[in-house]
Amino acid sequence: ILNVEQSPQSLHVQEGDSTNFTCSFPSSNFYALHWYRWETAKSPEALFVMTLNGDEKKKGRISATLNTKEGYSYLYIKGSQPEDSATYLCAFPQASGTYKYIFGTGTRLKVLA
Amino acid sequence: EAQVTQNPRYLITVTGKKLTVTCSQNMNHEYMSWYRQDPGLGLRQIYYSMNVEVTDKGDVPEGYKVSRKEKRNFPLILESPSPNQTSLYFCASSPKATGVGNGYTFGSGTRLTVV
Repeated sequence: ILNVEQSPQSLHVQEGDSTNFTCSFPSSNFYALHWYRWETAKSPEALFVMTLNGDEKKKGRISATLNTKEGYSYLYIKGSQPEDSATYLCAFPQASGTYKYIFGTGTRLKVLA
Repeated sequence: EAQVTQNPRYLITVTGKKLTVTCSQNMNHEYMSWYRQDPGLGLRQIYYSMNVEVTDKGDVPEGYKVSRKEKRNFPLILESPSPNQTSLYFCASSPKATGVGNGYTFGSGTRLTVV
């Protein structure tokens, strides 16, 4: 089973701060990487699906970059707001051509007002 | 509204009593999957289905069964539940198995307690 690691495990920031976290994955046989946002008592919600090295995607104040050669993706939140408080998950298929996705354990973000 | 519907939301049952958690999607998605979430372990895939009548094991399939007789439905069956299957379960679907495009749509979750 391949390993997907996310860091940090948890993060507290002040409202208005910008922050970023990391998803590391095996660089061989890359197929796609997903980012999800998971609010407490809700279900995970897709943020981005990234497939190309150098990809950069943006949704409002949240953006993500992808480096498939070195096996990492960064998620950035600019000007964090309390409503950004959630766990952010990344997911990666175990091998190209198969569809068994593995999830990282997530980065839990708390934005303090 | 496009959605994945899971039922029930909460369930308390006793060891050994067969149960089924239903999952239905209205988006004509080919790919459906079940996950369980346990503290400190993240989401782990139980079973997935590439299309009607095509299912395969995920990383933690022991003690579970699934079927995909229709495209919209993907029930999770616990033939003889045990306390170690106490968990939060999610069903998810995607247009294609690759998950590209918009990623997966998740159901609202089922919190199962086996006593």
